Amino acid sequence: EPEVTQTPSHQVTQMGQEVILRCVPISNHLYFYWYRQILGQKVEFLVSFYNNEISEKSEIFDDQFSVERPDGSNFTLKIRSTKLEDSAMYFCASSDRGALWDEKLFFGSGTQLSVL
Amino acid sequence: DQQVKQNSPSLSVQEGRISILNCDYTNSMFDYFLWYKKYPAEGPTFLISISSIKDKNEDGRFTVFLNKSAKHLSLHIVPSQPGDSAVYFCAASINTGNQFYFGTGTSLTVIP
Repeated sequence: EPEVTQTPSHQVTQMGQEVILRCVPISNHLYFYWYRQILGQKVEFLVSFYNNEISEKSEIFDDQFSVERPDGSNFTLKIRSTKLEDSAMYFCASSDRGALWDEKLFFGSGTQLSVL
Repeated sequence: DQQVKQNSPSLSVQEGRISILNCDYTNSMFDYFLWYKKYPAEGPTFLISISSIKDKNEDGRFTVFLNKSAKHLSLHIVPSQPGDSAVYFCAASINTGNQFYFGTGTSLTVIP
């Protein structure tokens, strides 16, 4: 069964450093997402991406965050200057029809980001 | 702004009995709801969904019930099995949007 893959599985960084989280969505999917989950809290939406542009973003997704689809397979989340509160599990997800009826997101296994 | 709420952080059930996980939402515009299951060190995996034109959807041991007037949905697992032990997330979306809103999850433990 096709799956969403994320690398790395764990990332430790110093506060103020830039990090790039990588994702390879399912190959025929057109909609891509980043979510995150701070320990003990809900899974929070960050951003959705379709047709090479951001289609929706949350308040969390400020100017420190950016997404890119540099080629036909990768989807990346960049945090320019990490803060302690960015420590979380970051999930990439993809779907082929967006948040429509009978649609579901396929999630990767996540990248645990720890900012020290 | 907690638009999707799961008020029970944990639930323990004996193997073979029914597990009932509950979810409430505040946004009346939501018209599509999903349940995801998550094991440790893995991403959420889709379990079952329901659109607002239905009040029940069944898939094997899993049934989701939707009560639109109460803005409430529930997931029933019958019979519960030890392999069902996981965190269950409720999620909701507006059909014209691109975002799924998740609850905080309920950790289910099925005791053998």
